[in-house]
Amino acid sequence: EVQLLESGGGLAQPGGSLRLSCAASGFTFSRFAMTWVRQAPGKALEWISAISGSGNSPYYADSVKGRFTISRDNSKNTLSLQMIALRADDTAIYYCAKDSSLLPSSLDSWGQGTLVTVSS
Amino acid sequence: DIQMTQSPSSLSASVGDRVTITCRASQSISTFLNWYQQKPGKPPRLLIFDTSTLQAGVPSRFGGGTSGTDFSLTIIGLQPEDFATYFCQQSFSTPYTFGQGTKLEIK
Repeated sequence: EVQLLESGGGLAQPGGSLRLSCAASGFTFSRFAMTWVRQAPGKALEWISAISGSGNSPYYADSVKGRFTISRDNSKNTLSLQMIALRADDTAIYYCAKDSSLLPSSLDSWGQGTLVTVSS
Repeated sequence: DIQMTQSPSSLSASVGDRVTITCRASQSISTFLNWYQQKPGKPPRLLIFDTSTLQAGVPSRFGGGTSGTDFSLTIIGLQPEDFATYFCQQSFSTPYTFGQGTKLEIK
């Protein structure tokens, strides 16, 4: 059974930073791309970043490019999202999701999410 | 970026009804269109990928189709557990944008 467990969310000040992690189990981690999707309260889903199974190819939405960095450690089955220069509009639940192939594609498993609140 | 426009934004229906939700892409995305279901307080769940392929475990009352850059999700014979919010997503080119969602409510 695929399991994805996010951690690292919490309260950050505007301009601050946070690092999210996602611990994966139940599948061969390195064979699948991984994606971060966020959802502001009461809003739609927003795809923000993905990374290929090898970790060599990151992808970003314009809204986070230059501020967020996605990475993965295939030896530890862990996905990370380093977030800097946080803004109020980064407030959202952040979901880690497993892609259905080596490159970003459809998202066939999701974690429960971790809440990030950016406020002074 | 490719824009995905869903309609309607909300929909009221009764158990047993047939409903259709539409998603329009701002440019050609071939068949790289996915549908997700989300219930309150829960993560999304993949229903359909590549326009019309049902994810494992998804009931056959769910179906997907296309006409050009218009895509549809149809549910035939609504069940109580189907009342939720539905999102489309294109996976043709990054960023893999989502539609704004359609909330399906009980009439």
